[in-house]
Amino acid sequence: GQNIDQPTEMTATEGAIVQINCTYQTSGFNGLFWYQQHAGEAPTFLSYNVLDGLEEKGRFSSFLSRSKGYSYLLLKELQMKDSASYLCAVVDSNYQLIWGAGTKLIIKP
Amino acid sequence: IAGITQAPTSQILAAGRRMTLRCTQDMRHNAMYWYRQDLGLGLRLIHYSNTAGTTGKGEVPDGYSVSRANTDDFPLTLASAVPSQTSVYFCASSSDAGNSNQPQHFGDGTRLSIL
Repeated sequence: GQNIDQPTEMTATEGAIVQINCTYQTSGFNGLFWYQQHAGEAPTFLSYNVLDGLEEKGRFSSFLSRSKGYSYLLLKELQMKDSASYLCAVVDSNYQLIWGAGTKLIIKP
Repeated sequence: IAGITQAPTSQILAAGRRMTLRCTQDMRHNAMYWYRQDLGLGLRLIHYSNTAGTTGKGEVPDGYSVSRANTDDFPLTLASAVPSQTSVYFCASSSDAGNSNQPQHFGDGTRLSIL
């Protein structure tokens, strides 16, 4: 079967750094997405990785290791508005997105 | 403003009733998708359409049907609603289903309660 694992919930402090991990086992791999979803809102695109390594985009970075079936999303200089759920999704061999259940990130002042 | 529009925003429906959730996009995207999102679970694909005139079944298609008569519209129909279909429904689109690096864009969702 196909499986995406993420921690259910994490807590961090405003101004700090947090790393949200995602491990996956899927039938094929054609890329990995990270999305942000604020409570009661739609998911919005954050990043896409298909090659191993780190992709940096402002305060957010995403890392991929295909051999380990592992990715993480790194958020720096945390702000209160970063309180949201972060969804990891893998593109499988049929070009379908397989979604993790999401990690709820709580930012404390 | 370009994007995806879903209607209604929320709905309470009696079990056994028929319901159609509407989804319209103005980005001229080829691919469209319907997901349901339940607490503690990831987004689950109900049906998808890679291009106008074609549709396919996702992970949880039972009890739902879709049509794709044109590029812009992708309605989702519950023929006879059951309480287990209580969920938040998201419509999404992407420019091309075959390009894995194209992100999906989401509508604001429909919150559906079946009593």
